[in-house]
Amino acid sequence: GAGVSQTPSNKVTEKGKYVELRCDPISGHTALYWYRQSLGQGPEFLIYFQGTGAADDSGLPNDRFFAVRPEGSVSTLKIQRTERGDSAVYLCASSLTSASGGLYNEQFFGPGTRLTVL
Amino acid sequence: AQKVTQAQTEISVVEKEDVTLDCVYETRDTTYYLFWYKQPPSGELVFLIRRNSFDEQNEISGRYSWNFQKSTSSFNFTITASQVVDSAVYFCALIRGAGNTPLVFGKGTRLSVIA
Repeated sequence: GAGVSQTPSNKVTEKGKYVELRCDPISGHTALYWYRQSLGQGPEFLIYFQGTGAADDSGLPNDRFFAVRPEGSVSTLKIQRTERGDSAVYLCASSLTSASGGLYNEQFFGPGTRLTVL
Repeated sequence: AQKVTQAQTEISVVEKEDVTLDCVYETRDTTYYLFWYKQPPSGELVFLIRRNSFDEQNEISGRYSWNFQKSTSSFNFTITASQVVDSAVYFCALIRGAGNTPLVFGKGTRLSVIA
């Protein structure tokens, strides 16, 4: 079956511009996560959705970052007034929901969007 | 707070050598899950293994084995008879609790296997 897909694969923008990054999770996965990976670092959590609502947005670095998931499937990460420090690979992951965890907290990752802010 | 430390930044081995990647974690939770992911040059994170905090049995899968020791808060990963295709960045990660919560990753260990 299809895995997690992310578009675009690469995005180059100028400082101050607005960008949108899209994530299409695995069908039926209700949990969706955004992470950011800077060069030489591990992925860092940004925001997590359970269905349509953001269950935890504590990782968003500031109010220039915002994410939505209006129908509980596709999610869009939006970055306003981009800065050079926003350059990174943005990863999306999805997982099934389980109240007790069990087998369902494995997260499946997409290929990422490489964002470069000039 | 949760923290994962991978002290080895880069490791280089010759093909067919065994190699162990270290992972030390910190958490105050009694229920948690530990993971290893592989990130090949293509960039996509590939799930390798998950372990819960109540299961300290070591696991072997082909050339891969994992050693989980709660007493030292470690979850080390060994590749036996390494191959060039094993070259990648390997991440150890932690999830708190038992539900769907975000992963806390270490900084990764870059493994280079030389033919």
